[in-house]
Amino acid sequence: EPEVTQTPSHQVTQMGQEVILRCVPISNHLYFYWYRQILGQKVEFLVSFYNNEISEKSEIFDDQFSVERPDGSNFTLKIRSTKLEDSAMYFCALSPRDEAFFGQGTRLTVV
Amino acid sequence: AQKVTQAQTEISVVEKEDVTLDCVYETRDTTYYLFWYKQPPSGELVFLIRRNSFDEQNEISGRYSWNFQKSTSSFNFTITASQVVDSAVYFCALSEANSGYALNFGKGTSLLVTP
Repeated sequence: EPEVTQTPSHQVTQMGQEVILRCVPISNHLYFYWYRQILGQKVEFLVSFYNNEISEKSEIFDDQFSVERPDGSNFTLKIRSTKLEDSAMYFCALSPRDEAFFGQGTRLTVV
Repeated sequence: AQKVTQAQTEISVVEKEDVTLDCVYETRDTTYYLFWYKQPPSGELVFLIRRNSFDEQNEISGRYSWNFQKSTSSFNFTITASQVVDSAVYFCALSEANSGYALNFGKGTSLLVTP
């Protein structure tokens, strides 16, 4: 069973709007990851977050993206000004050294 | 350069046939993990297996088996007696210590099992 829940499952937003995707782990974890999958393509790493700090990020993770752990449990990915090409499935994941489970994903559609 | 290569883009088999999905990886790390995930049409990523670089023992789980060979940098996945429910996209992924254990995915193999 996945140890992390993502909300919302599907979000439609207008180009230029800000979106916040949420990830809620069932138990306490130190490592979190965000991945993106454009429709029909492979899953791509965005950013890893360890102990409340970004530890690694890919070239995809530019200034329009940010991650936070606002209340010590939820873990969020914010896209400041969405573009059409941000339409994708976004997955939150826990540390692969513990369990390699992914959340069920948030499908983001930018129109 | 691709760190994980899944050369088979699409495979189509008839139910009850055996099918092997290939995965070749590239790494300079001595400590790494290899994974297989199943992605059904509903879109979620279903974890199938994780293998660490120090454990080359092959594994069998029901109709699924995995062959890890460091000598050829391969981690192949075999489904025995395939079923229609096995139809999905299968991803192989590599997790390396020097990249914070982020998963690097292959492009996936789309498996279609027909009755």
